[in-house]
Amino acid sequence: GENVEQHPSTLSVQEGDSAVIKCTYSDSASNYFPWYKQELGKRPQLIIDIRSNVGEKKDQRIAVTLNKTAKHFSLHITETQPEDSAVYFCAARIDGGADGLTFGKGTHLIIQP
Amino acid sequence: DSGVTQTPKHLITATGQRVTLRCSPRSGDLSVYWYQQSLDQGLQFLIQYYNGEERAKGNILERFSAQQFPDLHSELNLSSLELGDSALYFCASSVSSVSYNEQFFGPGTRLTVL
Repeated sequence: GENVEQHPSTLSVQEGDSAVIKCTYSDSASNYFPWYKQELGKRPQLIIDIRSNVGEKKDQRIAVTLNKTAKHFSLHITETQPEDSAVYFCAARIDGGADGLTFGKGTHLIIQP
Repeated sequence: DSGVTQTPKHLITATGQRVTLRCSPRSGDLSVYWYQQSLDQGLQFLIQYYNGEERAKGNILERFSAQQFPDLHSELNLSSLELGDSALYFCASSVSSVSYNEQFFGPGTRLTVL
């Protein structure tokens, strides 16, 4: 089955700086890569996603890049704000949809004032 | 609010017992997924249903079972509970089973096994 590795496990950045979280996946059949944000005690919420036929996608301060050859994808957050503090999960899903999401272990992002 | 509801919010029970978690998907969504979140295992996919039929199985234990009813709500049954089953259980729903459909997560049920 699919395996997703996520790094780093904790990331502390100064407010206003950029944050980058990286993930690798193992199964070349994966074609959908969402990123979820989870605040303490809350449900995971989708913040951005990318499909395998696209190399990059941006939504305001958030962007995701995908390198299919290397099987890795990254989340970029620019101009970080205190409300960006949360745990971020990357995930992958195999084409065909007969499976759930395989998640990375999560990155605890801390925004220092 | 994602539109996905889960009950109960919290559940405290003893080892060896059986519990049922309930999930109502967003209106119009046909697919329901169950995930388990624990500190050591992270977020893990358990099982998927699509329009009443089981579609995929993930890391679901034999002591666990699920079903999706004609009105599309789903139940996850956990039996012979062990301490290690303590976790947050999320239900998610999507419009169809296509891989790139967004999955909307419910608020979760926190299960504590004593």
